[in-house]
Amino acid sequence: GAGVSQSPSNKVTEKGKDVELRCDPISGHTALYWYRQSLGQGLEFLIYFQGNSAPDKSGLPSDRFSAERTGGSVSTLTIQRTQQEDSAVYLCASSPRTGATADTQYFGPGTRLTVL
Amino acid sequence: AQSVTQPDIHITVSEGASLELRCNYSYGATPYLFWYVQSPGQGLQLLLKYFSGDTLVQGIKGFEAEFKRSQSSFNLRKPSVHWSDAAEYFCAVSRAGAGSYQLTFGKGTKLSVIP
Repeated sequence: GAGVSQSPSNKVTEKGKDVELRCDPISGHTALYWYRQSLGQGLEFLIYFQGNSAPDKSGLPSDRFSAERTGGSVSTLTIQRTQQEDSAVYLCASSPRTGATADTQYFGPGTRLTVL
Repeated sequence: AQSVTQPDIHITVSEGASLELRCNYSYGATPYLFWYVQSPGQGLQLLLKYFSGDTLVQGIKGFEAEFKRSQSSFNLRKPSVHWSDAAEYFCAVSRAGAGSYQLTFGKGTKLSVIP
């Protein structure tokens, strides 16, 4: 079946602009995660959605970052007033259950964001 | 907070040789442990995971890992490397129980394979 898809695959933007990154999880997966992969910091957890519960936003690096998940499926990560340090690959993952016992997370190919 | 150390940034092995990638973690209790692989331009793929029980875990693509509590390690091994194994490998931990969804990754080890 289809895996996690992300769009766009590459995004180049100018400093100060807003960007939106999209994630389509595997159908039926109730949990969705965003991670950031950068040269300096490695892979970092950003945010976790599970069903209708309030998301865990503890990994978001600043209030310029936000994410939403509509209808329990598609998610959008928004970065406002982008900075050069936001340049990274943004990875989305989904898993089938609550995550209470560390479900296998299935990752998408990522969106490479470059801020000029 | 948990942390993961992968001491080797880059390893080069010959095809057919054995492989061991090191991973050490820091956590107050026994965590959940994972190894992921990332091929160029691809997302992360789970190779194997350890929650409890037998400390030797078998995964996909012929990989295995051994959990050693006394050494806080979870090293990944493969007896004979194939050229297609060239990729970047990430060790990850999460807390057991509530909050186990939040993975903490090591910085990764890049594997190059010489034909």
